[in-house]
Amino acid sequence: QVQLQESGPGLVKPSDTLSLTCTVSGGSISSRYWSWIRQSPGKGLEWIGYISDSGGTNYSPSLKSRVTISLDTSKNQFSLRLNSVTAADTAVYYCARTYGSSTFNFDLWGQGTLVTVSS
Amino acid sequence: DIQMTQSPSSLSASVGDRVTITCRASQGISTFLAWYQQKPEKAPTSLIYDASTLQSGVPSRFSGSGSGTDFTLTISSLQPEDFATYYCQQYNSSPFTFGPGTKVDIK
Repeated sequence: QVQLQESGPGLVKPSDTLSLTCTVSGGSISSRYWSWIRQSPGKGLEWIGYISDSGGTNYSPSLKSRVTISLDTSKNQFSLRLNSVTAADTAVYYCARTYGSSTFNFDLWGQGTLVTVSS
Repeated sequence: DIQMTQSPSSLSASVGDRVTITCRASQGISTFLAWYQQKPEKAPTSLIYDASTLQSGVPSRFSGSGSGTDFTLTISSLQPEDFATYYCQQYNSSPFTFGPGTKVDIK
């Protein structure tokens, strides 16, 4: 069955860029939308943004100025870049799948990866 | 942004109990609502979408109802594996937002 797996550095310095990749295995990245969601003790679950299988994006306004989500269909991967990070960006980051169109529930999640922002 | 609230924030229940969790949206969201279950140190898993449609593979003791601003998640007979935190999420409009969660633990 389809599985999602996040990968990337677990420690990022303040003001640097957080970069994570989600690999989709057991299925195609086509015909679905793909999101990043994070969870921190202080803010609960927070949707960051999504990318469609055709490359269209939608970001949360609170993070839009710092976020880029991209797609690599040849590798069945999508990625997150978050610029100018601070300690407030410390969280578990999840990648997740949605149907898209009018249905943006997240039916499949990766296991999550903890990213700590610290010098 | 649409704000989501949940009540109670936590509850204690026994195996076999009927449990109801409430989710409220700050404005009408039709039935664009999902429920998730999260166990400690694990990712959330999808239970219900479109307010009342059970995700494939989810036991029938879980059910959802509501539309507009008020929604409920009901577990008809609580099982040991159901002790977890439950979140609602609206997808009526971007940014998609989650409730703060309801923790269900053992009485």
